[in-house]
Amino acid sequence: GESVGLHLPTLSVQEGDNSIINCAYSNSASDYFIWYKQESGKGPQFIIDIRSNMDKRQGQRVTVLLNKTVKHLSLQIAATQPGDSAVYFCAESDGGGADGLTFGKGTHLIIQP
Amino acid sequence: ETGVTQSPTHLIKTRGQQVTLRCSSQSGHNTVSWYQQALGQGPQFIFQYYREEENGRGNFPPRFSGLQFPNYSSELNVNALELDDSALYLCASSWTGISTEAFFGQGTRLTVV
Repeated sequence: GESVGLHLPTLSVQEGDNSIINCAYSNSASDYFIWYKQESGKGPQFIIDIRSNMDKRQGQRVTVLLNKTVKHLSLQIAATQPGDSAVYFCAESDGGGADGLTFGKGTHLIIQP
Repeated sequence: ETGVTQSPTHLIKTRGQQVTLRCSSQSGHNTVSWYQQALGQGPQFIFQYYREEENGRGNFPPRFSGLQFPNYSSELNVNALELDDSALYLCASSWTGISTEAFFGQGTRLTVV
């Protein structure tokens, strides 16, 4: 079964609001967690990652939070824009690479004007 | 754009046939991974190639095979196609197999009829 999953298949937010996309994982041995954005007809695009020894990491307009106690990962997008509309996947890795990335099912973020 | 290119972009094959998909990795990357993404699902890891050898494999049968060439480009071959093989096939390139730094191509949409 899936070791990484998302709580909601669809999230609708107003343009300009903040978006929070959640993810639950089950493999405590995972070393890296990554968020990808996939627009229609395109491959996944790296957004931000976080190592298991960190709780928070910030990028441009995005923040990833990791709660290892409850095995929960979240992606926060500030001031959501129409271009943020896409499917967002969390993925986990053991860091070594040879086992590939394990992806969840994804959350479709819809931006309301 | 990631610099990872895949060909063809779309392909229709008949059940039982064989198919070859191609991927050119981003300049400077020596590792290529392949993923299968069914409609509405997250990508599933097929295998990874490093220095022309398979060094990691997901839960896919032997009829899924691959090659990596000296220039680090790669092929995915699928024999005896089944209807369930219909999916988007994604190639990701990285340096020394570090999954979190993987860059994806736009994918090949394979339809098996």
